[in-house]
Amino acid sequence: EVQLVQSGGEVKKPGEPLKISCKTSGYRFTDYWIAWVRQMPGKGLEWMGIIYPDDSDVRYNPSFQGQVTISADKSMSTAYLQWSRLRASDTAMYYCARPHVVGIPAPYDYWGQGTLVTVSS
Amino acid sequence: DIQLTQSPSSLSASVGDRVTIACRASQTISTSLSWYQHKPGEAPRLLIYSASSLKDGVPSRFSGSASGTDFTLTISNLQPDDSATYYCQQSFTTPSHTFGQGTKLEIK
Repeated sequence: EVQLVQSGGEVKKPGEPLKISCKTSGYRFTDYWIAWVRQMPGKGLEWMGIIYPDDSDVRYNPSFQGQVTISADKSMSTAYLQWSRLRASDTAMYYCARPHVVGIPAPYDYWGQGTLVTVSS
Repeated sequence: DIQLTQSPSSLSASVGDRVTIACRASQTISTSLSWYQHKPGEAPRLLIYSASSLKDGVPSRFSGSASGTDFTLTISNLQPDDSATYYCQQSFTTPSHTFGQGTKLEIK
């Protein structure tokens, strides 16, 4: 059974670093892209970026380029989303997601449960 | 960047009704358009991919169509469980697999 299990919710202060994770199981991790999607409170879904774990090819939405870092650890079958310095505007639910077909970056039929990140002083 | 414009932004319908949600792309995206259903507290759920292909396990009440840069999600015989926000997403271009802004469907 394919599963994407995300790390738990976080409450952080502005300026703090953060790395959240998406641990996968039930399939060969290196065969599928993993995407990250943001949903700010009361807002819609925003595509942040995507990584191909086999070679760590990363593509970012230009809106998020330089603001976050997407990475993957093949040995742990885990993808990561990290910030070096959080802002209050990073408060959101973050989802990881996997496409339904090998080797293509979208669409996504497996999703993590979401990680709620709250940034507040 | 490709923009996706959904309409309406919200709608209300009754059980048994048929509703359509539109998604217009700012440029050609072939049939690289998917539809998701998203309920509060849950992860989004893929309904339709490649504009009109129904994902396994999704009721046949859901259907998608395409005409040029205009795409439509149709839900027939509305059920109470269909109350959700629906998003389109294009996957024609990387690096940005844009989502539409969402359509909130309320079942009366």
